[in-house]
Amino acid sequence: EAGVAQSPRYKIIEKRQSVAFWCNPISGHATLYWYQQILGQGPKLLIQFQNNGVVDDSQLPKDRFSAERLKGVDSTLKIQPAKLEDSAVYLCASSPPEGRALYGYTFGSGTRLTVV
Amino acid sequence: AQSVTQLGSHVSVSEGALVLLRCNYSSSVPPYLFWYVQYPNQGLQLLLKYTSAATLVKGINDFEAEFKKSETSFHLTKPSAHMSDAAEYFCAVSGSEKLVFGKGTKLTVNP
Repeated sequence: EAGVAQSPRYKIIEKRQSVAFWCNPISGHATLYWYQQILGQGPKLLIQFQNNGVVDDSQLPKDRFSAERLKGVDSTLKIQPAKLEDSAVYLCASSPPEGRALYGYTFGSGTRLTVV
Repeated sequence: AQSVTQLGSHVSVSEGALVLLRCNYSSSVPPYLFWYVQYPNQGLQLLLKYTSAATLVKGINDFEAEFKKSETSFHLTKPSAHMSDAAEYFCAVSGSEKLVFGKGTKLTVNP
């Protein structure tokens, strides 16, 4: 089966600019996650979708970050305006609707964002 | 709530030596536990998982981990390190839905 697709792979922007990341999960996976991985740290969950509804966005900085999952398939994560501390790898993951904790998640290759 | 502590941010071994990466977890419910590997500039790849069946779990590339409830541990081992094992390893716990990661251990393999 095809994996989780993410684009772009790399992005360099200046602070205060906006940026968007795209994710296409594995077909049939109802649950989609966005993680932020800062250099030297483990991934941190930003937002979790179940189909096109938000399940958990408690760690999403809502003043600058937004995410949507239209039609319960693809998802977009946006940052506006970006700050230097947003430099990180943004990972998208998906899992099947049943036993998601049981099966673990499949991760995409990530988007490496550098804010200068 | 769940949390993971990985002991040692860097581990260095010689090629052919035993690999031991330590992970301790905290969970208010029976946990599911995972080890992921991340190669440079790549995403996370699942190595193995514990899902309340056998306590000794075998994964890809000869890695294995043992779930010890009494010690709240899920340490990762491999009998003989290869150069290709050099990467960063993350332990993760999931009690219900959310997957919580440790800070990672970077493994270096010396020739």
